[in-house]
Amino acid sequence: SAVISQKPSRDICQRGTSLTIQCQVDSQVTMMFWYRQQPGQSLTLIATANQGSEATYESGFVIDKFPISRPNLTFSTLTVSNMSPEDSSIYLCSVVESWSGEQYFGPGTRLTVT
Amino acid sequence: AQSVTQLDSQVPVFEEAPVELRCNYSSSVSVYLFWYVQYPNQGLQLLLKYLSGSTLVKGINGFEAEFNKSQTSFHLRKPSVHISDTAEYFCAVTQTGANNLFFGTGTRLTVIP
Repeated sequence: SAVISQKPSRDICQRGTSLTIQCQVDSQVTMMFWYRQQPGQSLTLIATANQGSEATYESGFVIDKFPISRPNLTFSTLTVSNMSPEDSSIYLCSVVESWSGEQYFGPGTRLTVT
Repeated sequence: AQSVTQLDSQVPVFEEAPVELRCNYSSSVSVYLFWYVQYPNQGLQLLLKYLSGSTLVKGINGFEAEFNKSQTSFHLRKPSVHISDTAEYFCAVTQTGANNLFFGTGTRLTVIP
């Protein structure tokens, strides 16, 4: 199974600043996803980040607010820009293992915006 | 579009008692269904999945779920829970052939000694 790590595991940030979250996978994967889990709510897909193409954003999410990089098959970053308290959430990276089709999740990054 | 409803936000149950965590979905197309577990401070882990075939699906840690198309349900069950089963459980659905998951709001299972 794919093993995913995220950095940082948690952070407290000031309003108006930006935070970049890193996602590292121990194997090469084509499909990678970024999810958000707001307090007391379910996981919501932010975008799909496939290597070699622009990220595809879900309704309600835009590139200016959540720019994503996918430089290779094992790494991706999500930036939360110009943060406000409403961005306080857990952000999770997820990958689909190419050979099995299984979807795996990282441990998440807990972001608090003050 | 798909959506998932988990009716119970919290379920307390005594150790060695049976448990059922409810999940209902809505979709106009055929779907795949999943249950994930999230232990404290850990990532989501797949418990089991229904793709096709037998409607009774067995997963890890003694859990099983039954797909009921007529009732659009995919309830999770375990005949005897253990303290270590205390966690958050998420039901998820995706359209057949797709990869992006739609999640329910989660059910926090607390096993009481």
